[in-house]
Amino acid sequence: DTEVTQTPKHLVMGMTNKKSLKCEQHMGHRAMYWYKQKAKKPPELMFVYSYEKLSINESVPSRFSPECPNSSLLNLHLHALQPEDSALYLCASSQDPGSTDTQYFGPGTRLTVL
Amino acid sequence: GIQVEQSPPDLILQEGANSTLRCNFSDSVNNLQWFHQNPWGQLINLFYIPSGTKQNGRLSATTVATERYSLLYISSSQTTDSGVYFCAVPLIKAAGNKLTFGGGTRVLVKP
Repeated sequence: DTEVTQTPKHLVMGMTNKKSLKCEQHMGHRAMYWYKQKAKKPPELMFVYSYEKLSINESVPSRFSPECPNSSLLNLHLHALQPEDSALYLCASSQDPGSTDTQYFGPGTRLTVL
Repeated sequence: GIQVEQSPPDLILQEGANSTLRCNFSDSVNNLQWFHQNPWGQLINLFYIPSGTKQNGRLSATTVATERYSLLYISSSQTTDSGVYFCAVPLIKAAGNKLTFGGGTRVLVKP
């Protein structure tokens, strides 16, 4: 099974709201990723967790706060977002953080910030 | 950082036609992935191909690492092949693996 699940599929939020995106994998992968994809653009890396520790933060604004409660779960907490943060947020996982293993992507959460 | 470029940016095919998509990268790589992003946004793994040729049904891919390019072949295209095709190369950075994507090739297969 190479499935990564994400909830919710769609999210609409106001600029003062707090919401969370959730990602789950049961493949025993030890690296998990958040990507952001704007319309008609390729995905861009936001964060990498390796063995449940944050290993890469691509200079993402603090209104995005990642969390890895255990090896299967990855959350992205959202607070005080701007309309330009509207995008598709993709979660991915791979077997070994220190290698160039295949990354498997979830279906994404389509976020709209009003 | 590494640059990844894809061509053509857009492609319109008649159902049943064959086509080749190209991915050029600016530095040597340990791996290369091809993805298909369907109209709902799901990124589907097609190939993990650091070098050589692989085939999966009507799709095949060839990577020539020494010349820094990879090709994706679509044969007998179907409407379900529509979507965006991305190539991506990984970079080991700190204790993580960063995928750098090309700009994508947007494919529309007409019935």
